[in-house]
Amino acid sequence: DTGVSQDPRHKITKRGQNVTFRCDPISEHNRLYWYRQTLGQGPEFLTYFQNEAQLEKSRLLSDRFSAERPKGSFSTLEIQRTEQGDSAMYLCASRAGTATNYGYTFGSGTRLTVV
Amino acid sequence: DAKTTQPNSMESNEEEPVHLPCNHSTISGTDYIHWYRQLPSQGPEYVIHGLTSNVNNRMASLAIAEDRKSSTLILHRATLRDAAVYYCILRVGNAGNMLTFGGGTRLMVKP
Repeated sequence: DTGVSQDPRHKITKRGQNVTFRCDPISEHNRLYWYRQTLGQGPEFLTYFQNEAQLEKSRLLSDRFSAERPKGSFSTLEIQRTEQGDSAMYLCASRAGTATNYGYTFGSGTRLTVV
Repeated sequence: DAKTTQPNSMESNEEEPVHLPCNHSTISGTDYIHWYRQLPSQGPEYVIHGLTSNVNNRMASLAIAEDRKSSTLILHRATLRDAAVYYCILRVGNAGNMLTFGGGTRLMVKP
């Protein structure tokens, strides 16, 4: 197992275009999280899945953002009509949904630049 | 989640111990103390966590004050690869699914 994979690593897009990012979690992890990180700040929570169910969404997740996790495996995060303010690192994390407080495993992120 | 306070930055010399402090005066009885670090151009990496007792693992040690209002992450011998932003996070027991990151402490290691 190579950990959490995110694709692409970098994406440059023009304002107004749609973009989609993919996250492949650790296979036995049933919980998956998306975060956004801007330069010099800590990551901010966007949304969370348990298996295929999206259980929590941050107010940061505007209606231009949509996330899916079909079949409870990989997840996609789509941003429609991108704006320059969407430029950030988008991080995915996963963890096992066990009773103990195991750590979260993060991917290396997708860096989005909107020009 | 309760708030944590960390210094913005710290410096250390290579091969010397580093003590990274974190204040969490509003911690509740069910809050676990987590530490993550983020190396340049990478996602955060789990370091250690604890509830009441001091904890050790291959990466670091976590010293928790008796009143739990503060904790210290200890790197026993800093290396250049330990240069990163270190985040101290409180997480409620087994509930509260997301991690709430603050600004963290940027650790610089001098050769």
